[in-house]
Amino acid sequence: AQSVTQPDIHITVSEGASLELRCNYSYGATPYLFWYVQSPGQGLQLLLKYFSGDTLVQGIKGFEAEFKRSQSSFNLRKPSVHWSDAAEYFCAVDPPGTYKYIFGTGTRLKVLA
Amino acid sequence: DADVTQTPRNRITKTGKRIMLECSQTKGHDRMYWYRQDPGLGLRLIYYSFDVKDINKGEISDGYSVSRQAQAKFSLSLESAIPNQTALYFCATSDLRQGETQYFGPGTRLLVL
Repeated sequence: AQSVTQPDIHITVSEGASLELRCNYSYGATPYLFWYVQSPGQGLQLLLKYFSGDTLVQGIKGFEAEFKRSQSSFNLRKPSVHWSDAAEYFCAVDPPGTYKYIFGTGTRLKVLA
Repeated sequence: DADVTQTPRNRITKTGKRIMLECSQTKGHDRMYWYRQDPGLGLRLIYYSFDVKDINKGEISDGYSVSRQAQAKFSLSLESAIPNQTALYFCATSDLRQGETQYFGPGTRLLVL
């Protein structure tokens, strides 16, 4: 079945540490790929997206993500986390031709001072 | 002013009541979506509309209906609310001419007693 998996429900990191949030998808063809962030009490803000081309994508707030076709993954990274990055992060995929998103279940990030 | 607005932002209602959640956008996008968010489940698609004359069911449409009154307005109705419809509801928009990136409203928090 088609699916999107974010295997980590919660992640805790210290401020200044590096971060990697995992996202795996299960589709026959490469979908469009997105990462969104939801701060407490807020809507979803787009961090970055991948449609085609360079597999390393730069986004806002210092985030980047790497598409790996062989692993069906689109992991989100940040070299140095700030306390303001504490939020919930969602991976979403848009399978070819559907024009609809399938969301992962989210990863909640806690940042320790 | 926000590009995608939702009203009300918070709503408490009783079981059996009919309620409507409204979404308006000034982005000029032709596609609009309604999602619900539940803890641990991510966002799930309720209904979507690719233009004013097009309405489609999503993953979890039972108990909901929608109306696309104009390109800029997309309303979600709960005909007879039940407690398990307590959730955070998001409206989103997209435009094929700008890729398939979806832009989200701030959400409506609904509590059904």
